[in-house]
Amino acid sequence: AQSVTQLDSQVPVFEEAPVELRCNYSSSVSVYLFWYVQYPNQGLQLLLKYLSGSTLVESINGFEAEFNKSQTSFHLRKPSVHISDTAEYFCAVSDRDRGSQGNLIFGKGTKLSVKP
Amino acid sequence: NAGVTQTPKFRVLKTGQSMTLLCAQDMNHEYMYWYRQDPGMGLRLIHYSVGEGTTAKGEVPDGYNVSRLKKQNFLLGLESAAPSQTSVYFCASSYDNARSSYEQYFGPGTRLTVT
Repeated sequence: AQSVTQLDSQVPVFEEAPVELRCNYSSSVSVYLFWYVQYPNQGLQLLLKYLSGSTLVESINGFEAEFNKSQTSFHLRKPSVHISDTAEYFCAVSDRDRGSQGNLIFGKGTKLSVKP
Repeated sequence: NAGVTQTPKFRVLKTGQSMTLLCAQDMNHEYMYWYRQDPGMGLRLIHYSVGEGTTAKGEVPDGYNVSRLKKQNFLLGLESAAPSQTSVYFCASSYDNARSSYEQYFGPGTRLTVT
């Protein structure tokens, strides 16, 4: 069975500081990896994903994540955060080999709070 | 396009009452999903559907039923609500894997309280 662990439930950080949100997964099969973001009182939106190819993936708003197979990690980073990045971030994994219905297993989420 | 919409946005039920949550998508997606979100628990899959007329159980299906009579709609039913079903419910949809690269599109959520 797959599982996702987000190591920090809350991350407070000052504006323009760098941030890293940690995600580790466990799976006996190959996986696809995702980061979703949830702004207050909204649904989730896909932030970025790793399917294949380059292990470093980027989003349009400056976030990046690196797939590390040996450490089974997919940490999310941003070199300089803005107030508008305040949200909850979810790491998710999907079984690549099931030919599956795309079912996602989510971590418990990390609340990023950016302070001025 | 409205994307994924959910009805209602809020609801309060008494224990034992029943209700149906409606999810609609206008993106012609094959796959649809129902999740519940509880504090500190992330999102957990309740039921999903890979096409009109088909449904399957997810991680936490007990106490819920679903139907997918039309491709664009996915209904989640609670036959006899319990306080443990107090949660925020999210619907999501996606194309099949070859087209979607597994991206799911989420609705805005339904906040349900069972007293």
